[in-house]
Amino acid sequence: EVQLLESGGGLVQPGGSLRLSCAASGFTFSSFAMSWVRQIPGRGLEWVSGISGSGGSTYYADSVKGRFTVSRDNTQNTLYLQMNSVRAEDTAEYYCAKGDWLFHPCEYWGQGTLVTVSS
Amino acid sequence: DIQMTQSPSSLSATVGDRVTITCRASQGIRNDVGWFQQKPGKAPKRLIYGAFTLQSGVPSRFSGSGSGTEFTLTISSLQPEDFATYYCLQHNTYPWTFGQGTKVEIK
Repeated sequence: EVQLLESGGGLVQPGGSLRLSCAASGFTFSSFAMSWVRQIPGRGLEWVSGISGSGGSTYYADSVKGRFTVSRDNTQNTLYLQMNSVRAEDTAEYYCAKGDWLFHPCEYWGQGTLVTVSS
Repeated sequence: DIQMTQSPSSLSATVGDRVTITCRASQGIRNDVGWFQQKPGKAPKRLIYGAFTLQSGVPSRFSGSGSGTEFTLTISSLQPEDFATYYCLQHNTYPWTFGQGTKVEIK
């Protein structure tokens, strides 16, 4: 059974940093691309970042480019999102999601972790 | 960036109704579209991938169609458990983009 478990969310001050983790199990982690998607409470979904199975290719939304870094540790079956220079508008629920073997995205989702940026 | 214009933003319907939700892409994206359902307090769930392929385990009353710039999600006979918010996602070109969402409410 595919399981994705996000952690690392919490309260962070504007300008601060936070690292989110997504622990994966139930599949061959290194074989699948992964994504981060966020949702401001009460609002719609926003794709944030993606990474290939090997980790060699990474992609970002314009809103986070240069501030966020996606990475993965295929030996630990874990996906990361390093969030730097955070802003109030980064406050959201952050989900990790697994792609499928046809490279279609977001076949499975984690339960999310809430990031609140506030002083 | 490719914009996904989703309509309507909300609709009211009755159990048994046929419901259609549309996403229009600002440029051609072949059939690189997925559809997702989200219920309050829950993570999204994929319903359709590749514009028209039903995700395993999803009821056959859900269907997707379209190619290029116009895509449709249809629920042939709305059930009580289908009241939720639905999103399209284009994954043809980075950055990937979601539609704004359609909230399906009980009439």
